[in-house]
Amino acid sequence: DTAVSQTPKYLVTQMGNDKSIKCEQNLGHDTMYWYKQDSKKFLKIMFSYNNKELIINETVPNRFSPKSPDKAHLNLHINSLELGDSAVYFCASSQAGLGMGRFFGTQYFGPGTRLLVL
Amino acid sequence: AQTVTQSQPEMSVQEAETVTLSCTYDTSENNYYLFWYKQPPSRQMILVIRQEAYKQQNATENRFSVNFQKAAKSFSLKISDSQLGDTAMYFCAFMKHESHNAGNMLTFGGGTRLMVKP
Repeated sequence: DTAVSQTPKYLVTQMGNDKSIKCEQNLGHDTMYWYKQDSKKFLKIMFSYNNKELIINETVPNRFSPKSPDKAHLNLHINSLELGDSAVYFCASSQAGLGMGRFFGTQYFGPGTRLLVL
Repeated sequence: AQTVTQSQPEMSVQEAETVTLSCTYDTSENNYYLFWYKQPPSRQMILVIRQEAYKQQNATENRFSVNFQKAAKSFSLKISDSQLGDTAMYFCAFMKHESHNAGNMLTFGGGTRLMVKP
């Protein structure tokens, strides 16, 4: 069973379009994340979210918005796509808060979605 | 803000030999976690090893071990008996030990590309 899944795995679209990437986790975690990996492989947090709190990286344009229909899903909506949005987007999940267990706080990643904006 | 630096963009090692990947970080926090993630050509982000800052003992996972030097803010990864399947990008990552639920975001280093040669 896939722990963290993302759809689609590849997305090719035109500038100006609006698109969504879906993420689902079956680990029972309470916190989910979106990361962006650019063409130089650098990974950067975009959002961190649970049902109580959303933390947005201040560098993320407001064209990007996370939407969570329930605890197991965190979708990424992108409006008015730009060339610079081309990247690999990773979803991750963890059991957040305070804890000392071996896997507490560890983030598990989805397979990534490669977005290409033409 | 935290920063993570991996000073070796690329490394290579012969199969069955040992290689050490370097990572340094900068933080004013006292409680935090450190991770090494592996990203093979498949693009999947795979957890290799995790270290809690409050633990003095270095973490080990089979052929993977770390040298955690808290005072020096250094967190190197040693891979013993290197295998062809170890060929991948390796990312060092830092996470604060947050008390609120959505705050556990990862800060990544720039990555080290490791090639294991037969």
